Amino acid sequence: RKEVEQDPGPFNVPEGATVAFNCTYSNSASQSFFWYRQDCRKEPKLLMSVYSSGNEDGRFTAQLNRASQYISLLIRDSKLSDSATYLCVVNDYKLSFGAGTTVTVRA
Amino acid sequence: DVKVTQSSRYLVKRTGEKVFLECVQDMDHENMFWYRQDPGLGLRLIYFSYDVKMKEKGDIPEGYSVSREKKERFSLILESASTNQTSMYLCASSLFKGQLTWEDISQPQHFGDGTRLSIL
Repeated sequence: RKEVEQDPGPFNVPEGATVAFNCTYSNSASQSFFWYRQDCRKEPKLLMSVYSSGNEDGRFTAQLNRASQYISLLIRDSKLSDSATYLCVVNDYKLSFGAGTTVTVRA
Repeated sequence: DVKVTQSSRYLVKRTGEKVFLECVQDMDHENMFWYRQDPGLGLRLIYFSYDVKMKEKGDIPEGYSVSREKKERFSLILESASTNQTSMYLCASSLFKGQLTWEDISQPQHFGDGTRLSIL
């Protein structure tokens, strides 16, 4: 079983829509969690950190469910510029990256 | 703003060659990392370093070595390149707080642009 698993998508949504996707992790002792964003042919960049039950930053909300061992990312009022691959990252004394969920926002 | 610079965006080498990938960061970060990224597999950690002349194996170190002679520079070496090492290679750096706690690991990683390496 992979340490971090994500639905690869793609999630194709119209502008203004809400899109949400999950990431599951295998190590119950994992301490902290992150969402990184990676644009096509670009490097990953930190989007959000998730230390407790959740975190909200503008249109982006990350939630953590330790009992079920998953984190989610929700994007409200999607913009064209939100099109990217979103990498779930889990800290269990090293960073483990998921393969990413691709989101495409269309006009 | 943190700048992580990788020496090449695209590189083509032949099987059996010794290949050097260079990475330089300008923010005095202690931690540096080398990953490879392949479709469907995500980023996989090859090696990392928490200090000059210090190195630790990541998840997939076989066929690779590293060198950290100076704080700002972390080199990845493919001793004898093989076709299964064709990949996107990403270097990253992060701040080290002084104790190896989960908080240190949680520091944001700043990535270089990546090197797309093809081994023929």
